[in-house]
Amino acid sequence: DADVTQTPRNRITKTGKRIMLECSQTKGHDRMYWYRQDPGLGLRLIYYSFDVKDINKGEISDGYSVSRQAQAKFSLSLESAIPNQTALYFCATSDLGDGYTFGSGTRLTVV
Amino acid sequence: GESVGLHLPTLSVQEGDNSIINCAYSNSASDYFIWYKQESGKGPQFIIDIRSNMDKRQGQRVTVLLNKTVKHLSLQIAATQPGDSAVYFCAEDGNTGFQKLVFGTGTRLLVSP
Repeated sequence: DADVTQTPRNRITKTGKRIMLECSQTKGHDRMYWYRQDPGLGLRLIYYSFDVKDINKGEISDGYSVSRQAQAKFSLSLESAIPNQTALYFCATSDLGDGYTFGSGTRLTVV
Repeated sequence: GESVGLHLPTLSVQEGDNSIINCAYSNSASDYFIWYKQESGKGPQFIIDIRSNMDKRQGQRVTVLLNKTVKHLSLQIAATQPGDSAVYFCAEDGNTGFQKLVFGTGTRLLVSP
């Protein structure tokens, strides 16, 4: 089993719909992250969490929300999806002694 | 704002050649730098890292060089193989104590047999 698991792997949704991307990890890391990847723009940080009670906005949090349901689970929601949120989304975990581990990504298309 | 960038978007090499991928960073306070490899359809994978108190670190077939004077980072891959074909990203911690990473835009490495 993967250390960081993202579901779904692919999703097509309509403009205005609410959608949730889920992430779970078996690394035992406290820190979890959601990144967005667009061609030519690299990975940009949406939200991050250092423990269950700690949630922080990243550089592009507008239009997104997150929930840290447990140490191992961190979900990303788009309350009302719009086409420019079409992108590849990555969840990651980190620990000082263990680096960053990324999931395989969720490809989201908003039509 | 602070940013991490790459000089070349695409690098094409022959199998067996040595590859050098470059990265310029702008946050002089960054303490930690990482190189990632991303293959098609996969998430970024850790390759090698280096702290700001070092100028060189070697791994298996890979070497990272850090020049803090000109804020430049490079990844050298020895005897490049077709399996090395991927997009490579540099990242810096922006002096956040490894709490957050800022990623470059990526360089695509194409290795032809």
